Amino acid sequence: DTGVSQNPRHKITKRGQNVTFRCDPISEHNRLYWYRQTLGQGPEFLTYFQNEAQLEKSRLLSDRFSAERPKGSFSTLEIQRTEQGDSAMYLCASSLGSTTYSNEQFFGPGTRLTVL
Amino acid sequence: AQKITQTQPGMFVQEKEAVTLDCTYDTSDPSYGLFWYKQPSSGEMIFLIYQGSYDQQNATEGRYSLNFQKARKSANLVISASQLGDSAMYFCAMREPSGGYQKVTFGTGTKLQVIP
Repeated sequence: DTGVSQNPRHKITKRGQNVTFRCDPISEHNRLYWYRQTLGQGPEFLTYFQNEAQLEKSRLLSDRFSAERPKGSFSTLEIQRTEQGDSAMYLCASSLGSTTYSNEQFFGPGTRLTVL
Repeated sequence: AQKITQTQPGMFVQEKEAVTLDCTYDTSDPSYGLFWYKQPSSGEMIFLIYQGSYDQQNATEGRYSLNFQKARKSANLVISASQLGDSAMYFCAMREPSGGYQKVTFGTGTKLQVIP
């Protein structure tokens, strides 16, 4: 399978616990995006990487959220001290972008987080 | 102002009929791109069609076509010959330059149900 993969697909955790999600993009894609999607809404941008550099972070990304993309390959999104409001689908997408123009984003299946 | 507006929360269409899903957008940048994604109940976002702001002709991809009216800032998706498998959420999205990268903003989606 050469698509974007995400693990785990589902995560249930108790409030206050830390969780980490992983995203493996399409291998030749240099751009990687994280989105959050709540019920009945479209995906909301969280953060963006070009290769290993994190170039943009949304104001939605509080201090409890951190994302990394070591070596410009897979990425991890960690949420510390989870809150019930963090319950959502977390989507990862990748694209092959030039310096001024990027192609469509290919999405992974998402990680559904439930905070009890 | 909303960047992407989808005014139809839900739509019904008879199998084999055509259906139009509305999308209006707001940007002051002359260079932008418009996308439509399909999200089945499984949750994965599936890219359908893309229209660039400088494209002279409306984009088409199989049964999907994009009715691009630049002056009205609308980018409606037309699905011809609807199939039961078309039942899903449909999201309109816009890519525009933002601080050196291409920001993508999604609408709230339209839930399409195809009736046999």
